[in-house]
Amino acid sequence: DAMVIQNPRYQVTQFGKPVTLSCSQTLNHNVMYWYQQKSSQAPKLLFHYYDKDFNNEADTPDNFQSRRPNTSFCFLDIRSPGLGDAAMYLCATGGGLGQGTNTEAFFGQGTRLTVV
Amino acid sequence: LAKTTQPISMDSYEGQEVNITCSHNNIATNDYITWYQQFPSQGPRFIIQGYKTKVTNEVASLFIPADRKSSTLSLPRVSLSDTAVYYCLVGDAGAGSYQLTFGKGTKLSVIP
Repeated sequence: DAMVIQNPRYQVTQFGKPVTLSCSQTLNHNVMYWYQQKSSQAPKLLFHYYDKDFNNEADTPDNFQSRRPNTSFCFLDIRSPGLGDAAMYLCATGGGLGQGTNTEAFFGQGTRLTVV
Repeated sequence: LAKTTQPISMDSYEGQEVNITCSHNNIATNDYITWYQQFPSQGPRFIIQGYKTKVTNEVASLFIPADRKSSTLSLPRVSLSDTAVYYCLVGDAGAGSYQLTFGKGTKLSVIP
């Protein structure tokens, strides 16, 4: 059974048109991550949540925002997608204190974003 | 955050044991070492994690020397399906620090 679910698997959006990617988890983990992965590159951490505490990476563009309304769901909003934002977007969850070691993360299948 | 260095790529024949070494000279006391596997168009998948000495599971072994400045992922008798990118991560298990930063990874190609 899928534990981290990303919808949709494939998303096509127009240049400059806001788009939202979603992620849900059934693991009840405290931590949720968003990564951007471009072709032949490693996943790049955009931001992560520990519960409701939001942690933005220093080099994450302002064009990328995130929301976590509850433990189970997290959203990635791209306010004005550019051609350079075409990538695979990966959501992951991780356990916090008391939920096992903290460096094991569970990834979703990813959403491949195309900007036209 | 401790930075990791791995070989960019490796080739191996089917049935051989593959050892991928990761350097992490600045590893901190609270850091764990974790390895992930990623197939094309899929999210990374956890393989193994360790703090020191040797850890073994049904998929791989992880060797960590006493100084913890490096680690070696060992894949026994690889098959074509082990062709993937393997990432070494070093992460802090302390409260409030959950950054999981991926390095460049090692692309393993298994040859028939």
